[in-house]
Amino acid sequence: NAGVMQNPRHLVRRRGQEARLRCSPMKGHSHVYWYRQLPEEGLKFMVYLQKENIIDESGMPKERFSAEFPKEGPSILRIQQVVRGDSAAYFCASSPGGADSPLHFGNGTRLTVT
Amino acid sequence: GENVEQHPSTLSVQEGDSAVIKCTYSDSASNYFPWYKQELGKGPQLIIDIRSNVGEKKDQRIAVTLNKTAKHFSLHITETQPEDSAVYFCAAVLNTDKLIFGTGTRLQVFP
Repeated sequence: NAGVMQNPRHLVRRRGQEARLRCSPMKGHSHVYWYRQLPEEGLKFMVYLQKENIIDESGMPKERFSAEFPKEGPSILRIQQVVRGDSAAYFCASSPGGADSPLHFGNGTRLTVT
Repeated sequence: GENVEQHPSTLSVQEGDSAVIKCTYSDSASNYFPWYKQELGKGPQLIIDIRSNVGEKKDQRIAVTLNKTAKHFSLHITETQPEDSAVYFCAAVLNTDKLIFGTGTRLQVFP
C-alpha cells in the first residue's frame, strides 16, 4: 500500500513563475492537508480539502495561492507569481477521516525561488 | 486562539538515558494529540498519539501523558538510541479538524 506521494521532490522557479505541487493521498483517504515548513521551523497549516471541496483554507495566503482536490487525480497546490519568500518545504498529508484520524505525510516538495 | 507551545527546542542525551519533551495547548476543546518524528529530508512520521479520554499511553520505549486540566502533554522516550535522533513535533487537533503543530524539538542521542 503506497504512502502519500508528492511530486516533484525538488522544484526550482524564478521569481514571477508559477509552481504546481502535486499530492496523491494514500489509497482510501479522502481528506488532504497541506502544510508549509521553513528551515528549522515547525509545520504551518495551509489548507484542508476533501474531494472537490475546500473545508478550511484559513492558513493559506489569499493572493497567489490556491488548492484543489478534484474528483479524479491528485490534489494540487498552486502558487502563482512566486517570490523568494515562497521558498520552503511543502508537505501534504492524508487521512481516512478528519484531523483526529492519524495523518500520513508525504516526503514533501522543496520549492526554491531564485 | 489556536496555539501549541513545545519545550525544549533542543535536547541532548547520552545513549540509554531518557528524554522528555513537553507541550502545552491553548484550546480546551482539543481532543487528539499526536506526536511526530521527522528525519532529515523526510516528512513527519506518526510515532504515538493520545485522545482526550485517556491519561497515558505506552508503546515499547515511547510513552505519552496527557493532563487535560493543565492543558499539557508530554512525550517520554526511555533507553534512547542514536537512531532516535531527529526532530520531534507535538500537535493538537481542534474539533474543526485542523492539526496545529508545536515548534519542534531537535533530539540528539550521543553514543
